Amino acid sequence: GQQVMQIPQYQHVQEGEDFTTYCNSSTTLSNIQWYKQRPGGHPVFLIQLVKSGEVKKQKRLTFQFGEAKKNSSLHITATQTTDVGTYFCGSGNTGKLIFGQGTTLQVKP
Amino acid sequence: GAGVSQSPRYKVAKRGQDVALRCDPISGHVSLFWYQQALGQGPEFLTYFQNEAQLDKSGLPSDRFFAERPEGSVSTLKIQRTQQEDSAVYLCASRRGWLAGVRGTDTQYFGPGTRLTVL
Repeated sequence: GQQVMQIPQYQHVQEGEDFTTYCNSSTTLSNIQWYKQRPGGHPVFLIQLVKSGEVKKQKRLTFQFGEAKKNSSLHITATQTTDVGTYFCGSGNTGKLIFGQGTTLQVKP
Repeated sequence: GAGVSQSPRYKVAKRGQDVALRCDPISGHVSLFWYQQALGQGPEFLTYFQNEAQLDKSGLPSDRFFAERPEGSVSTLKIQRTQQEDSAVYLCASRRGWLAGVRGTDTQYFGPGTRLTVL
């Protein structure tokens, strides 16, 4: 079945440094969604990408969907301590989401 | 309601006990999903309802897991004869619409989850 792999599993950065997490699939994805889960919290929707090569920005966050629709990335510029949490990508055709394993971001002040 | 609510937030069960986890979706949301999230992992799909109809239960790990949504709103996930490997956070999510496809799908709104610990 469809699998979504996400790397890295963990990332520690100094506040102000950039951060990127990558999501990869061996099959073409119809869409990709990104969620953020704070420690002890639940996944909160960030954005959805559906078009090949699509790029969307939310303030310091940049989301990309690959041309082949098999990979995606989330890039955070100049991280802040409020960015701490686990970032998940997910994809699904029928509504149910298949999630990656997540990338946990730690930011040192 | 303002968001998806779940109860209880925490549940400790002895191995072999039955548990029932409740989900109150956002009012008017047609679709409801249950996910299981093990420590350090991403959520894994369990089952999906469209109104009261259970359209997909392919993710339920065994026949000890049962979910229902009899009136198309509140849903209950029941686990019979709990085992230690059932320990996880059980997340419920609801979605306004039911259609999905190449144009993407509505946002899923997650509840706070129920943390189940089986001793």
